[in-house]
Amino acid sequence: SQKIEQNSEALNIQEGKTATLTCNYTNYSPAYLQWYRQDPGRGPVFLLLIRENEKEKRKERLKVTFDTTLKQSLFHITASQPADSATYLCALKDSNYQLIWGAGTKLIIKP
Amino acid sequence: EAGVTQFPSHSVIEKGQTVTLRCDPISGHDNLYWYRRVMGKEIKFLLHFVKESKQDESGMPNNRFLAERTGGTYSTLKVQPAELEDSGVYFCASSQQDRGGYETQYFGPGTRLLVL
Repeated sequence: SQKIEQNSEALNIQEGKTATLTCNYTNYSPAYLQWYRQDPGRGPVFLLLIRENEKEKRKERLKVTFDTTLKQSLFHITASQPADSATYLCALKDSNYQLIWGAGTKLIIKP
Repeated sequence: EAGVTQFPSHSVIEKGQTVTLRCDPISGHDNLYWYRRVMGKEIKFLLHFVKESKQDESGMPNNRFLAERTGGTYSTLKVQPAELEDSGVYFCASSQQDRGGYETQYFGPGTRLLVL
């Protein structure tokens, strides 16, 4: 079956440390994968896009990796801050489907 | 530049009633999407407009849901009659594809629908 999985348990990280979130998928051939941030009561906000032929993408304190062999994307936030606390969603685009979403991982950065 | 707006922000209705949700996309965006998120679950695609045409409505749950995008600007999603399982947050997103065929979707704040 086809699915995209993110850790459903909240991730608690100490301020200043690196937070790493995981997105795994099965039976899709993504053209690209995206990461979004969602705050309570708000819609998702786009953060980064990584293409199938890219291994890594960076934007300020954010880094995304994409391993099509492992069928996994990792999302890193370095020097984490309490303001980074939110739910982070991954979404992949397979040419045969619309954007497919993971359920999200809640990240809590403790001061 | 104004973002995607949705109205209403919340709606509480009784089973059997009708509700109409509205989405105003970012000006100039041809693509408009409707999604739904049930609590604790992933965001699910409902349908996709390109301008005023329905490009893909494979995610629409059943014929109680009707979406329109007259003139290719704002869109409405009507649920008639509403059932309990229709409760959730309905998101609208708009986008414009870049030259490489990649697109970034911009989301509205969502409409929280509760059917009692």
